[in-house]
Amino acid sequence: QKEVEQDPGPLSVPEGAIVSLNCTYSNSAFQYFMWYRQYSRKGPELLMYTYSSGNKEDGRFTAQVDKSSKYISLFIRDSQPSDSATYLCAIASNAGNNRKLIWGLGTSLAVNP
Amino acid sequence: GAVVSQHPSRVICKSGTSVKIECRSLDFQATTMFWYRQFPKQSLMLMATSNEGSKATYEQGVEKDKFLINHASLTLSTLTVTSAHPEDSSFYICSASLARQETQYFGPGTRLLVL
Repeated sequence: QKEVEQDPGPLSVPEGAIVSLNCTYSNSAFQYFMWYRQYSRKGPELLMYTYSSGNKEDGRFTAQVDKSSKYISLFIRDSQPSDSATYLCAIASNAGNNRKLIWGLGTSLAVNP
Repeated sequence: GAVVSQHPSRVICKSGTSVKIECRSLDFQATTMFWYRQFPKQSLMLMATSNEGSKATYEQGVEKDKFLINHASLTLSTLTVTSAHPEDSSFYICSASLARQETQYFGPGTRLLVL
């Protein structure tokens, strides 16, 4: 079983839709959860960072963590064509692993005008 | 804040030559820098982790003599691909993090094509 599982998609939605992106993880030692957005041929950009169960909101983006289920989500409200990108979840523990991030495969999202 | 630059953005070289890629944190001091490789439509593959003033820690399967990493200052790390071959063609991305933080800030990436 991979440490982090993420459905690669592709996911295609109409403009204005609510998008739900998800990752599951296997190690309960993971404590830090991030979502990155990567446009084609660009470096990833940090969108959201959280370390506790519950919701964290930033504009149209909401990150949700459920540590009991080992499940994290990113919701995008009122999706725009400019949101078309690959979304990667990244997870870390603080177990002295030299601060490496464990990455999901990334979900490719297309928002159609 | 937390801007990371990478240079060059694209390089084409002949097989057998060496290529150096620079990664700079522009507005913060990066205690740790990471080098990744990414193939088309695939996720990030960590190559090595470097701390300023220390030798880099390479991931299993990554040849340290082929991918030389130098982290001489808190704002600069370099990756040198030595004796490049066509199979080294890829998208190389660096990231940097601050002390005691797990988040990484990424550069824009370098596309390497070895002919």
